[in-house]
Amino acid sequence: GAVVSQHPSWVICKSGTSVKIECRSLDFQATTMFWYRQFPKQSLMLMATSNEGSKATYEQGVEKDKFLINHASLTLSTLTVTSAHPEDSSFYICSATTGTSGYEQYFGPGTRLTVT
Amino acid sequence: KQEVTQIPAALSVPEGENLVLNCSFTDSAIYNLQWFRQDPGKGLTSLLLIQSSQREQTSGRLNASLDKSSGRSTLYIAASQPGDSATYLCALFMFSGGYNKLIFGAGTRLAVHP
Repeated sequence: GAVVSQHPSWVICKSGTSVKIECRSLDFQATTMFWYRQFPKQSLMLMATSNEGSKATYEQGVEKDKFLINHASLTLSTLTVTSAHPEDSSFYICSATTGTSGYEQYFGPGTRLTVT
Repeated sequence: KQEVTQIPAALSVPEGENLVLNCSFTDSAIYNLQWFRQDPGKGLTSLLLIQSSQREQTSGRLNASLDKSSGRSTLYIAASQPGDSATYLCALFMFSGGYNKLIFGAGTRLAVHP
């Protein structure tokens, strides 16, 4: 149980285009989902927290107009990187919880984004 | 601001050794501490979760301890195997902005060679 999937697992896009990453909880309802970013040989950095049906809460320094998060249902959250640039190339990982307390998070396998 | 430090940053050992990975943090007002394993290019696998009221947790060859007063946690790996090679991350649960969130350390990259 408690499986989280991400799609795509990797994506290559051209600079200036937008790309959407999906995060799905497969066997539970996730009221809260978290999006992380990880650069090579660095730790995970929380980007934003999203609750179903409400606006995402972004961490300091994360551009909300660039990283659009939509948590439209209890099993799906999407992260759209708009007007992507090479410096946006990174590993994006989502996690999901069954309650807003975030007591235990279940992680997706990650999405590797490369912007050329 | 919570800061999480993991030492060593990298470790290479022969198979069979007992290992100690360290995690220290600056703010002891945590709810829980969790150890994860990450294989290259992959997501995270949860290893052990220690609640703030607990001192340690064990799972198979893994044992994790927590000392909130000193801001330290230690992950012990007994009889290491090549399959243990991965990056090990410690992460702290803290309440901020209305939600619990995980603050991660930079990780320890472990290589166990036959």
